[in-house]
Amino acid sequence: GAVVSQHPSWVICKSGTSVKIECRSLDFQATTMFWYRQFPKQSLMLMATSNEGSKATYEQGVEKDKFLINHASLTLSTLTVTSAHPEDSSFYICSASGLAEYRKTQYFGPGTRLLVL
Amino acid sequence: AQSVSQHNHHVILSEAASLELGCNYSYGGTVNLFWYVQYPGQHLQLLLKYFSGDPLVKGIKGFEAEFIKSKFSFNLRKPSVQWSDTAEYFCAVDYSAGNMLTFGGGTRLMVKP
Repeated sequence: GAVVSQHPSWVICKSGTSVKIECRSLDFQATTMFWYRQFPKQSLMLMATSNEGSKATYEQGVEKDKFLINHASLTLSTLTVTSAHPEDSSFYICSASGLAEYRKTQYFGPGTRLLVL
Repeated sequence: AQSVSQHNHHVILSEAASLELGCNYSYGGTVNLFWYVQYPGQHLQLLLKYFSGDPLVKGIKGFEAEFIKSKFSFNLRKPSVQWSDTAEYFCAVDYSAGNMLTFGGGTRLMVKP
């Protein structure tokens, strides 16, 4: 149980384009989803938290207009990196938590590696 | 500021050696505690968690952790490591009981066969 998937697993794009990353909870309903960024050999940095049907809450220093998060259903959240630039290249990881036995614990997806040329 | 410290950044052990990875947090109130493991090229997997009750928590793959409130610590242990335990280990703390995690910097473990 508690499987979270991400798509795509890696993406290469040109500077100025937008990239959408999907995060899905496969076997439970994710009332809350989290988006992290992980730099090489560093820990995870929380970017934002989203509750299903609500606007995302962004951490300080994260541009909400650049990193658009949508959590329209209990199994899907998307992160769109708008007008991507090389400095946005990173490893983006989502996690999800839900109700009952899935409460109070985050279950992580496999991550999406983004390279902006 | 609330923080999580993992003092060992890199650990190298031989197979069958015992493992203890340190994790200290900075807050004195009620916390929820987690250890996650990230195997090379794979996603973060939950090893174990502590919310309340017995401070000695058993996890998957033979790992355990002990919550010592007086020391603000939640150290991860395994009596005998295997080569397959080579991975990065992250301690995480939920300070708010609201499922918001603060991660430690991670400990990279290498087990030599």
